Amino acid sequence: EPEVTQTPSHQVTQMGQEVILRCVPISNHLYFYWYRQILGQKVEFLVSFYNNEISEKSEIFDDQFSVERPDGSNFTLKIRSTKLEDSAMYFCASSRDSSGNTIYFGEGSWLTVV
Amino acid sequence: GQSLEQPSEVTAVEGAIVQINCTYQTSGFYGLSWYQQHDGGAPTFLSYNALDGLEETGRFSSFLSRSDSYGYLLLQELQMKDSASYFCAVKEQGFQKLVFGTGTRLLVSP
Repeated sequence: EPEVTQTPSHQVTQMGQEVILRCVPISNHLYFYWYRQILGQKVEFLVSFYNNEISEKSEIFDDQFSVERPDGSNFTLKIRSTKLEDSAMYFCASSRDSSGNTIYFGEGSWLTVV
Repeated sequence: GQSLEQPSEVTAVEGAIVQINCTYQTSGFYGLSWYQQHDGGAPTFLSYNALDGLEETGRFSSFLSRSDSYGYLLLQELQMKDSASYFCAVKEQGFQKLVFGTGTRLLVSP
């Protein structure tokens, strides 16, 4: 069964450093997402991406965040200058269409900012 | 904005039936989804109700009542592996983001 894959599974970084989280969405999906989950809390939407541009973003997704699809398979989330409060599990997800009721999540990248 | 409230924790024994409720405040949404998340794992899609009524998928069923702004997930013949967090979620019309509920931690004991 096709799946969303993410790397790294866990990254520790110092405050102020740049981080890039990588994702390979399911190949025939057209909509890509990043969500995050702070430990013990609910899953929160960050950004959606379609047709090589951001289609929607939340208030969490400020200027420190950016997304890119550098080639036909990868989808990346960059945090330019990490803060302690960026520590969370970051989930990449994809869906075939915009209804998005069935979204397929990757296993997540656990980011720890120290 | 949208809000989806769930009980924080539910406990049950193996073989039992448990119902996880979700009450929401939102408008014009496509339907109600349910996701399962084991500790340290990814949310996994379980069920979706586009229309009012009951949807059954094996041991899991989900119900939606738009008039009551309420839905639930019903898990039957509980197994130890069902111990996980369960989230309801909605996607409002005109938006692409999926908004998750507060989550319910289900603990299944022998």
